[in-house]
Amino acid sequence: DTGVSQNPRHKITKRGQNVTFRCDPISEHNRLYWYRQTLGQGPEFLTYFQNEAQLEKSRLLSDRFSAERPKGSFSTLEIQRTEQGDSAMYLCASSLATIGREGEQYFGPGTRLTVT
Amino acid sequence: AQKVTQAQTEISVVEKEDVTLDCVYETRDTTYYLFWYKQPPSGELVFLIRRNSFDEQNEISGRYSWNFQKSTSSFNFTITASQVVDSAVYFCALRGMDTGRRALTFGSGTRLQVQP
Repeated sequence: DTGVSQNPRHKITKRGQNVTFRCDPISEHNRLYWYRQTLGQGPEFLTYFQNEAQLEKSRLLSDRFSAERPKGSFSTLEIQRTEQGDSAMYLCASSLATIGREGEQYFGPGTRLTVT
Repeated sequence: AQKVTQAQTEISVVEKEDVTLDCVYETRDTTYYLFWYKQPPSGELVFLIRRNSFDEQNEISGRYSWNFQKSTSSFNFTITASQVVDSAVYFCALRGMDTGRRALTFGSGTRLQVQP
């Protein structure tokens, strides 16, 4: 059972450029989450998918951010017109809707974004 | 609104000492889950435990134990006979269940350093 994988692991971009990150969840997990983590802080929720439906979005997810999960498997997170404040670790997690394991989210290694 | 407070920013202990990490939470939900995650230097968040708000029974898993007290809104984590490999940042998290939201609310973490 492979874990959650994320690509790329690191991304350096110039302000104003667009970036896209990919997350591959644990294969049987139907729920997928994106979080953002800045230095010295805990992860902050961005958005949640159940299968291909995006069911929850945080106020942190500005219009420049968009996430998709087209076939209910992998997901992409795109940031348009990046700003220096977008520099952070972007974490993906997945979970399975199973009685007794409700809410247990398993995290990937993250994509570290640096905007110069 | 939900909030998780981990007042201890950093703790340093010597190997074999016991250490307790504090977590205090706020929620208006009558049903909720509490979690602890470990983030080692490699960066990937590792799920440790989930606790249902209905279940105040303390739990022990090897050197780890958790003390959930609803009366004080606390969910503290104790490591007995700490080891160097326990060095990591530990996060407490909360998920309210009343509105069906899936997001986890994390505390800011406690960095534990175990010296040999």
